[in-house]
Amino acid sequence: QQQVKQSPQSLIVQKGGIPIINCAYENTAFDYFPWYQQFPGKGPALLIAIRPDVSEKKEGRFTISFNKSAKQFSLHIMDSQPGDSATYFCAARGGGAQKLVFGQGTRLTINP
Amino acid sequence: DTAVSQTPKYLVTQMGNDKSIKCEQNLGHDTMYWYKQDSKKFLKIMFSYNNKELIINETVPNRFSPKSPDKAHLNLHINSLELGDSAVYFCASSAGTGVYGYTFGSGTRLTVV
Repeated sequence: QQQVKQSPQSLIVQKGGIPIINCAYENTAFDYFPWYQQFPGKGPALLIAIRPDVSEKKEGRFTISFNKSAKQFSLHIMDSQPGDSATYFCAARGGGAQKLVFGQGTRLTINP
Repeated sequence: DTAVSQTPKYLVTQMGNDKSIKCEQNLGHDTMYWYKQDSKKFLKIMFSYNNKELIINETVPNRFSPKSPDKAHLNLHINSLELGDSAVYFCASSAGTGVYGYTFGSGTRLTVV
């Protein structure tokens, strides 16, 4: 049972474009929604995170939009660069579960 | 000055062998995790320890046995390795069991032949 569903699986965007990665969850007890960035041969690294009491959070070029009623959240990357090419994972935790559950990942390619 | 370090980075071994992966963190965190990343990049938790106490034990074959000698170390021992165990294994740590970001190691790529 996939608790966090992520789409698309892969995404190709031109430099300067705004890639958007979407995630949906079922468990309304989730209270923490981070995004991780993973480069080849490296471990995932925390990029940005949001709690369900806010609808948007920005850190630099990265923005999380959160829709609590729809149980969805998304990552937007402004002015995307080739260096942003990586695999992105959404995740969620809460409801007494002391673990992060991850989405399936999105392989993002930013073409020059 | 690596925050979460895993050794070895690569491990190639034959079916039936027993192997261990070691993990150490210097962040002062008290919670550590093992995640498995399969060939499709899916990350799934295996175990978690908080202050040396096992708090998460997902549905993992009992050939996998974690050990935490202290809160800075979490090792993973795998007995009787099978082809299906081939994956990348990540160690991670966090400041507690609450809402904290995880810091991941760079992974151990295990290949069973």
